[in-house]
Amino acid sequence: AQTVTQSQPEMSVQEAETVTLSCTYDTSESDYYLFWYKQPPSRQMILVIRQEAYKQQNATENRFSVNFQKAAKSFSLKISDSQLGDAAMYFCALNSGGSNYKLTFGKGTLLTVNP
Amino acid sequence: SQTIHQWPATLVQPVGSPLSLECTVEGTSNPNLYWYRQAAGRGLQLLFYSVGIGQISSEVPQNLSASRPQDRQFILSSKKLLLSDSGFYLCAWSVHRGGGYTFGSGTRLTVV
Repeated sequence: AQTVTQSQPEMSVQEAETVTLSCTYDTSESDYYLFWYKQPPSRQMILVIRQEAYKQQNATENRFSVNFQKAAKSFSLKISDSQLGDAAMYFCALNSGGSNYKLTFGKGTLLTVNP
Repeated sequence: SQTIHQWPATLVQPVGSPLSLECTVEGTSNPNLYWYRQAAGRGLQLLFYSVGIGQISSEVPQNLSASRPQDRQFILSSKKLLLSDSGFYLCAWSVHRGGGYTFGSGTRLTVV
């Protein structure tokens, strides 16, 4: 079975500062994908960034980057130059096999951005 | 372009009434389809998924059922709603593992 753990139920950051959200996971597969999703107050789920386990280079998307530590099974999300619009629930997710492409989600981290 | 439509956006239903939530996908063929429920405040629970027409897998025994009558249509149903069925329901699709999911805008269901 695969699991995803987000140990920070809530985080806060000052506007323009940097914040890191933590995620650890467990899987017995060697080939898998990891994702971060953002859910703003509208509750629309938005894909922020993805990482393939075989790629050693950390993924980046504009102000969003990840720190992927495969041996430690850690996948943290760094948000640089935080903006008010970054305030949302953030979910870490894992896809580690099967043709059904099922994602296992963490419980989420609620990020508050203070002006 | 690939889009996903989910409706209705909001629904208030009495206990014991039936339910039908619909999700349709455009711009892709043979997607995997998923129904998730999000209880107040937190995580997503996978309810059903489908890898093809008429193929439904249930993740959690419950008061709900799902059907996939067409390639790009996924329906979540109940014959008699319970108070515990209240929540936010999300439909999603995927066509390959590395792409993750694309989600619909969700349905907020309140059972009264």
